[in-house]
Amino acid sequence: DAKTTQPPSMDCAEGRAANLPCNHSTISGNEYVYWYRQIHSQGPQYIIHGLKNNETNEMASLIITEDRKSSTLILPHATLRDTAVYYCIVGMDSSYKLIFGSGTRLLVRP
Amino acid sequence: DGGITQSPKYLFRKEGQNVTLSCEQNLNHDAMYWYRQDPGQGLRLIYYSQIVNDFQKGDIAEGYSVSREKKESFPLTVTSAQKNPTAFYLCASSTIGTANTGELFFGEGSRLTVL
Repeated sequence: DAKTTQPPSMDCAEGRAANLPCNHSTISGNEYVYWYRQIHSQGPQYIIHGLKNNETNEMASLIITEDRKSSTLILPHATLRDTAVYYCIVGMDSSYKLIFGSGTRLLVRP
Repeated sequence: DGGITQSPKYLFRKEGQNVTLSCEQNLNHDAMYWYRQDPGQGLRLIYYSQIVNDFQKGDIAEGYSVSREKKESFPLTVTSAQKNPTAFYLCASSTIGTANTGELFFGEGSRLTVL
């Protein structure tokens, strides 16, 4: 069973920030939070991951709450190409069984 | 360029036939995985392998078989025992141990349709 809960769908306007929430209330101390996205009919693409601290890379920012029970993926300036299903996953550094739930389907509107 | 190559991209099969999906990676990754995805659903793990000549069942291994004779190759056979094989199949790879970042690298997938 997936260890995370995400809204099934969201939308945002092009150029605005997209904030995708994820609940992971049963996360253990050594589990990371990973975000992937999947554009229709393609393989998932890694976006970002973090343990405790907030993380930022060229694609997105990851904000993890202090109690680590939830996180938010932020796409600062969403484009039409960001329309995809976004998966929030928790797992250990050397996990071989990252479980992908149903994710959040993000629609970026022109 | 380094990456994962899956073939074929599309495959049609008659009921009762076995079919083998290819997955090759040149990333020098130790671990390889096979996932199945049904329409509108997330990914479910079929098999994974952490080292040559060894592999483990995932959550939905029934009706599937794999081999790992070479580090770079992890073919998946969908057997006639698989009751509902029509799906999108994804292969992935990753580093393990101290080098592992948790990141999975995915291929572009193989779409199997049983007629």
